[in-house]
Amino acid sequence: AQKITQTQPGMFVQEKEAVTLDCTYDTSDQSYGLFWYKQPSSGEMIFLIYQGSYDEQNATEGRYSLNFQKARKSANLVISASQLGDSAMYFCAMRDLSGGSYIPTFGRGTSLIVHP
Amino acid sequence: EAQVTQNPRYLITVTGKKLTVTCSQNMNHEYMSWYRQDPGLGLRQIYYSMNVEVTDKGDVPEGYKVSRKEKRNFPLILESPSPNQTSLYFCASSFNNRGSSRGYTFGSGTRLTVV
Repeated sequence: AQKITQTQPGMFVQEKEAVTLDCTYDTSDQSYGLFWYKQPSSGEMIFLIYQGSYDEQNATEGRYSLNFQKARKSANLVISASQLGDSAMYFCAMRDLSGGSYIPTFGRGTSLIVHP
Repeated sequence: EAQVTQNPRYLITVTGKKLTVTCSQNMNHEYMSWYRQDPGLGLRQIYYSMNVEVTDKGDVPEGYKVSRKEKRNFPLILESPSPNQTSLYFCASSFNNRGSSRGYTFGSGTRLTVV
């Protein structure tokens, strides 16, 4: 069974600084995808970034990058130059890509607050 | 605009009164799914659908029904709602069941309260 662990219930960061949100996962699958989503206070879920297990390079999307360490089974989200609008809940998720399961697994989330 | 549309956004109902939450996507996605979000538990999948007339249970299907008669629509049905189904519900879709490199597209959410 897959499992996602987000050990930081809450994080605080100063505006314009970088912040890392931790995500570790557990799976026996060889082929999987890792996702990060942002949920602002308005409630919608916004896709941020994706990393495939066979991707050799870390994914980047603007100010977001995914620090993928396959051997350690970690997929940390790095937000550079934090903005006040980055204050939100952040969820890490994973999906089996080998066809064994069609149910993605989500972590419990990390609440990020950006201070001015 | 490509989107997943859920209705209603907010719903308060009484125990036992059947209700339906609608979900529609305009992206011709094959894969659609329903989640519930509860504090401290993250998102848990209720049901998913691989394509028209193909549905299957997720992690927490008890008390819910779904149907997929058309590719664009995937309604969630609570035949006899109970207070423990009070939650924030999300519908999501993707091109295929893998979520693709663009992830799943989520609807805006439905906040359901059962009294």
